[in-house]
Amino acid sequence: SQQGEEDPQALSIQEGENATMNCSYKTSINNLQWYRQNSGRGLVHLILIRSNEREKHSGRLRVTLDTSKKSSSLLITASRAADTASYFCASSGAGSYQLTFGKGTKLSVIP
Amino acid sequence: GAVVSQHPSRVICKSGTSVKIECRSLDFQATTMFWYRQFPKQSLMLMATSNEGSKATYEQGVEKDKFLINHASLTLSTLTVTSAHPEDSSFYICSARTGGAYTEAFFGQGTRLTVV
Repeated sequence: SQQGEEDPQALSIQEGENATMNCSYKTSINNLQWYRQNSGRGLVHLILIRSNEREKHSGRLRVTLDTSKKSSSLLITASRAADTASYFCASSGAGSYQLTFGKGTKLSVIP
Repeated sequence: GAVVSQHPSRVICKSGTSVKIECRSLDFQATTMFWYRQFPKQSLMLMATSNEGSKATYEQGVEKDKFLINHASLTLSTLTVTSAHPEDSSFYICSARTGGAYTEAFFGQGTRLTVV
């Protein structure tokens, strides 16, 4: 199985700044998904990027995927205090329904 | 996005009792659902894959007799923690995909289980 690793593990920024989180994985994937989790709550799906895509946007979110480096990044622009949460990447191997999660990045946005 | 509902959100039970957690896909059919466990400040760990109409597939190290999974319909999977012990206290989350392996996976709200 593959494991994702997020980097950094924790990130603290001022409101209005951009936040970049990175994720690496070990084996071939067919897609990679990013999720947000507020403390003690379930996961909210943010964006899915397929293995044949290099970049995807959704509102203030921008996700990139580099399959040659087996890595992905999530950029949140113009951060808000409400963006404070843990962010996880999760990958699916070829033909697999299962998701393998990274360790997550805990983002704190200071008002 | 699609909605996955999980119930209850919190449960406290006595050691030795069993607890059932429900996971429902509200606006789509899910032949496959997934159960995860999350310890404080850690990531999600896949426990088992729940398959409608057949036996669940458990990950290595997960006791199938302790964590009973039933997926009786295309919209409902249940996880029963049997003879619960304090070490079973954790956050349990279910998820379902709206289609095949290339589709998004949506998650329930999670269940905080505390065994006293």
